[in-house]
Amino acid sequence: RKEVEQDPGPFNVPEGATVAFNCTYSNSASQSFFWYRQDCRKEPKLLMSVYSSGNEDGRFTAQLNRASQYISLLIRDSKLSDSATYLCVVLTSGGSYIPTFGRGTSLIVHP
Amino acid sequence: DAGITQSPRHKVTETGTPVTLRCHQTENHRYMYWYRQDPGHGLRLIHYSYGVKDTDKGEVSDGYSVSRSKTEDFLLTLESATSSQTSVYFCAIAPGGNTGELFFGEGSRLTVL
Repeated sequence: RKEVEQDPGPFNVPEGATVAFNCTYSNSASQSFFWYRQDCRKEPKLLMSVYSSGNEDGRFTAQLNRASQYISLLIRDSKLSDSATYLCVVLTSGGSYIPTFGRGTSLIVHP
Repeated sequence: DAGITQSPRHKVTETGTPVTLRCHQTENHRYMYWYRQDPGHGLRLIHYSYGVKDTDKGEVSDGYSVSRSKTEDFLLTLESATSSQTSVYFCAIAPGGNTGELFFGEGSRLTVL
């Protein structure tokens, strides 16, 4: 079982829609959580960190559920420019500092 | 943008030849990583470094070696390239601590014929 699991999609939604992605992680010692965005043929870039209390950045909301070991990303009022792959990243504490990536969820926003 | 560059950005080589990819940073970050990205697999860690001359293997390290003789440079070497190593290679850097943010290079596209 992969440490970080995501539904690969693609999620195909119209402009203005609300879409949600989930990500599950297997290591209960995981401490830090992030969402990255990757555009086609580009490098991944940090979208937002995920805090225990949940956090919002404009149209984007991230939630963490430690009991069920999943994080989520909600995108409201989708724009064409939101089309990308969204990567869930988990950082586990310990001697090494190794972020683990999910395989990514593809989002396509159409007119 | 974080100061991280990869070279070469594109390379075509033949099976059996050695290849070295270079990652250079100007941020003085402690951690450096090499990932490969393939369709259906996402980003997979090859090797990483937590300081000068301190490196360790990731989940797909077979066929790869690394070196870090200076803080700013992290080299990935394929001693004898194979077609299965055709991929996009990303270098990433991180300061460590709880920020968790990685900064990625633009990627190096390697094709092994």
